[in-house]
Amino acid sequence: GAVVSQHPSRVICKSGTSVKIECRSLDFQATTMFWYRQFPKKSLMLMATSNEGSKATYEQGVEKDKFLINHASLTLSTLTVTSAHPEDSSFYICSARGLGQGETQYFGPGTRLLVL
Amino acid sequence: QKEVEQNSGPLSVPEGAIASLNCTYSDRVSQSFFWYRQYSGKSPELIMSIYSNGDKEDGRFTAQLNKASQYVSLLIRDSQPSDSATYLCAVRVMDSNYQLIWGAGTKLIIKP
Repeated sequence: GAVVSQHPSRVICKSGTSVKIECRSLDFQATTMFWYRQFPKKSLMLMATSNEGSKATYEQGVEKDKFLINHASLTLSTLTVTSAHPEDSSFYICSARGLGQGETQYFGPGTRLLVL
Repeated sequence: QKEVEQNSGPLSVPEGAIASLNCTYSDRVSQSFFWYRQYSGKSPELIMSIYSNGDKEDGRFTAQLNKASQYVSLLIRDSQPSDSATYLCAVRVMDSNYQLIWGAGTKLIIKP
């Protein structure tokens, strides 16, 4: 149980384009989802927290107009990187917690974004 | 500012020995603690959670919590080369939306 999927696993895009990443909880209802980014050899950095049906709460320094998060259902959250630039290249990982899962966050496999 | 501290390592342990990973946290009211393992290029996976003082065992893994000392550790018995990874300690932030504060991780290398 507690499986989280992410799609795509890897994406390469041109500078200025937008990229959408999907995060799905496959066998539980995710009341809260988290979006992280991780640079090579660095720790996880929380970008935002979203509850189903509510606006996401962004961490300080994260541009909400650049990183659009939608958590419209209990099994799906999306992160859209708008007008991507090379400095947005990173490993984006979602996690989810939900009904019956206590406080534990379960992670998706991550999406590696490369902006050329 | 609430913090979680880990020695970045690398911690090198011979195969078959016990690996001991340590973590300290600054928020005295924290109640929930987690150990995750992250292989290079992969996302974190949960190893164990612990909520009460004392030891919690799961197979070759034992988590130890001492709230008075604000200290949580992870012991790996009979270490295997496949245990080589970065181990992340995470602490639940009270009165938050289930957010976790993350340590920077300890890189563990098990030498055959």
